[in-house]
Amino acid sequence: SQQGEEDPQALSIQEGENATMNCSYKTSINNLQWYRQNSGRGLVHLILIRSNEREKHSGRLRVTLDTSKKSSSLLITASRAADTASYFCATDARTSGSARQLTFGSGTQLTVLP
Amino acid sequence: ETGVTQSPTHLIKTRGQQVTLRCSSQSGHNTVSWYQQALGQGPQFIFQYYREEENGRGNFPPRFSGLQFPNYSSELNVNALELDDSALYLCASSSKTGFTYEQYFGPGTRLTVT
Repeated sequence: SQQGEEDPQALSIQEGENATMNCSYKTSINNLQWYRQNSGRGLVHLILIRSNEREKHSGRLRVTLDTSKKSSSLLITASRAADTASYFCATDARTSGSARQLTFGSGTQLTVLP
Repeated sequence: ETGVTQSPTHLIKTRGQQVTLRCSSQSGHNTVSWYQQALGQGPQFIFQYYREEENGRGNFPPRFSGLQFPNYSSELNVNALELDDSALYLCASSSKTGFTYEQYFGPGTRLTVT
């Protein structure tokens, strides 16, 4: 089952605009990670935020984490056509009493128009 | 691109057959995880191997099994293939067990079951 759920499912913006994607999850987490995937290829790790962190930056990326609301957001500033991809959040948590696992949401498809 | 490689790239099998997928982890990484990604969905965790032992498993039946070798490469075996097994299979390696550190994904193997 998918613990993380991204919102929106799809987002289309003009080059230069900012893109914001949100992720909600259900259980307590150790950390939350964001990944990018180009057209059915392998995933690329973007950023990891630990449960005791509230905000993290990496280049044009800004991630926030609100553990009280069980939500995270990914902001991409000054978007480029090359940012067109699917973006997934993934939570590192124990689920259903099992060992820890990385659980992905269903993703946000971002299209950046030139 | 990461240093994680997977083979084959594409595979077509018939229902009821068995399949073996292979993954070579990034140099220096001792942990390998496998994921199944159905079309339009996020990856789902199958299992993780650390030092040749299964170190956590998702909600997949026993006909999904794996191996990790002394050089940290890994195999995913699926017996009695079903149509719903059609998916992109991704492996990811990491320098530490668990999911506290980023996962480096390979490009995936696209499996089609007819």
